[in-house]
Amino acid sequence: GNSVTQMEGPVTLSEEAFLTINCTYTATGYPSLFWYVQYPGEGLQLLLKATKADDKGSNKGFEATYRKETTSFHLEKGSVQVSDSAVYFCALSDLSQGGKLIFGQGTELSVKP
Amino acid sequence: GAVVSQHPSRVICKSGTSVKIECRSLDFQATTMFWYRQFPKQSLMLMATSNEGSKATYEQGVEKDKFLINHASLTLSTLTVTSAHPEDSSFYICSARDIAEPLNTEAFFGQGTRLTVV
Repeated sequence: GNSVTQMEGPVTLSEEAFLTINCTYTATGYPSLFWYVQYPGEGLQLLLKATKADDKGSNKGFEATYRKETTSFHLEKGSVQVSDSAVYFCALSDLSQGGKLIFGQGTELSVKP
Repeated sequence: GAVVSQHPSRVICKSGTSVKIECRSLDFQATTMFWYRQFPKQSLMLMATSNEGSKATYEQGVEKDKFLINHASLTLSTLTVTSAHPEDSSFYICSARDIAEPLNTEAFFGQGTRLTVV
């Protein structure tokens, strides 16, 4: 079945450091891929998305490119801020199951001043 | 962006009572809504898919008689935790997808409900 695997956290960085959170997926067909962010005590917010191979999603300085050849959708940001501290979830939409989202296990990011 | 409102955000109830959580899509219609449960420091576990006008589809291992789902309109789904026990304490999150958008577009999430059963 379809699945998503993220790098384990927690990830601790200093402010202005470069961020990479790895995400790989297994899927039949051509799912859309998403990164969601969850701040403490809140629901999930969409950070960015890509709906087909080679698409690059970007938002608030974060980027991720849909790589079909490596089945990856790694999240990157050139310079993180303390306010980026949150849990990040990689997800794919399972079109064979009505568009149900399949989530990775989440990666907690902590950015220190 | 589309807004999903979940209510209440926090609830404390006594063991043995029932609790209802509402999930509303405020500016779009949703034939399908999803209910998740999240344990501390863990990912979201899909509990069930709520379908407007029909029975919900539960994931394996989720007790449908304990977690009652009703999706009576295109903008409202409810999750009722019946005869709650302390082990039901968790963070419950709903999400919805716009009926007008393709299946490969994003789902929008409510802000979550922290349930504590004492």
